[in-house]
Amino acid sequence: DAGVTQSPTHLIKTRGQQVTLRCSPKSGHDTVSWYQQARGQGPQFIFQYYEEEERQRGNFPDRFSGHQFPNYSSELNVNALLLGDSALYLCASSEVATLGETQYFGPGTRLLVL
Amino acid sequence: SQQGEEDPQALSIQEGENATMNCSYKTSINNLQWYRQNSGRGLVHLILIRSNEREKHSGRLRVTLDTSKKSSSLLITASRAADTASYFCASPSGGYQKVTFGIGTKLQVIP
Repeated sequence: DAGVTQSPTHLIKTRGQQVTLRCSPKSGHDTVSWYQQARGQGPQFIFQYYEEEERQRGNFPDRFSGHQFPNYSSELNVNALLLGDSALYLCASSEVATLGETQYFGPGTRLLVL
Repeated sequence: SQQGEEDPQALSIQEGENATMNCSYKTSINNLQWYRQNSGRGLVHLILIRSNEREKHSGRLRVTLDTSKKSSSLLITASRAADTASYFCASPSGGYQKVTFGIGTKLQVIP
């Protein structure tokens, strides 16, 4: 049973560029949440997708957008990258029936913006 | 914003000792969860305690919840070097149960 997978593992971009991160949820899961984790901080909720729609959003600007596909996989897009966007981006999956309970996290994508 | 705040932010103990981490939260919760993170990688769910529970055990882990004080504690007994990690408390909120994490406690277990 495959767990949550994320790609790529590491990424280096320059300011102003755009980036797309990908996530495949754990088998049987239909809900995907994205988090940003700066060094030394806890994960910050970006948004959550269910049924291909953004269901809830954290305090992040519109430069952060996402998408969920019919197979429940998801993408996180960040436009006009800033130095402050450098962080570990985590994807977590869960079942809508147990929303707010256990989430399964992927290994993360480490983004460095130069 | 952070829902939970862990205390202490860093903890260093000898192998075999017990480690206690505390978490305070601000709003009413349905449940509180604890996660572990090794070296900046993905988080691993450890234990969930519901708002109507006061204590829960899982192996060497013991979690308590005091809803009147809006606080929780995680006790790791007989610690091992492999327990070295960051530990986060988290709680759901909002209509779609957005999970909000604290800032974490960085635990170092010295062999």
